[in-house]
Amino acid sequence: AQSVTQPDIHITVSEGASLELRCNYSYGATPYLFWYVQSPGQGLQLLLKYFSGDTLVQGIKGFEAEFKRSQSSFNLRKPSAHWSDAAEYFCAVGGRNTDKLIFGTGTRLQVFP
Amino acid sequence: EAQVTQNPRYLITVTGKKLTVTCSQNMNHEYMSWYRQDPGLGLRQIYYSMNVEVTDKGDVPEGYKVSRKEKRNFPLILESPSPNQTSLYFCASSPGQGRGNTEAFFGQGTRLTVV
Repeated sequence: AQSVTQPDIHITVSEGASLELRCNYSYGATPYLFWYVQSPGQGLQLLLKYFSGDTLVQGIKGFEAEFKRSQSSFNLRKPSAHWSDAAEYFCAVGGRNTDKLIFGTGTRLQVFP
Repeated sequence: EAQVTQNPRYLITVTGKKLTVTCSQNMNHEYMSWYRQDPGLGLRQIYYSMNVEVTDKGDVPEGYKVSRKEKRNFPLILESPSPNQTSLYFCASSPGQGRGNTEAFFGQGTRLTVV
């Protein structure tokens, strides 16, 4: 079955500390992987995406993610959290010949000063 | 500016009173879809459309209808809303034609409460 698991419902970090949000997927074909961010009262905005090539991808707002095929993971990282990073983050998987995205349940990130 | 516009942003209604949530995109995208977002469940696809007059069920279609008479518009219809349809709804669009490596654009969401 195709699915995305975000094992952390809620993560809290201090401003300036590094953060990592975990994502594991199950997908029968070559996966296309995405991270979206949802700020309060807003829609979803694409942070970054991976299709092929370099397994470390850079996104907006200083985020990066690493694709590890052997672990079926696509974890999101940022070296130094900012208060404005507080939001809900969704990992999603899609495929080459489909437009459908399968989303994880989300991780809520809080950043304390 | 490329955007997906949903209306209304907030809606409170009573059980059984038909309602429509509109969605419009200005990017000439072929693929459009509706999701509902519930705590602990993430986003689940309700219906999708691959082009004009082509619609199909997603993962949670019960109680919903859609139509795609024009490329830019994809309204979500609840003919007899029930309290279990209280949720946050998102419309999304992407270029389509199986180009899965392209970004999906999302509307700002419609928070629906059915009492």
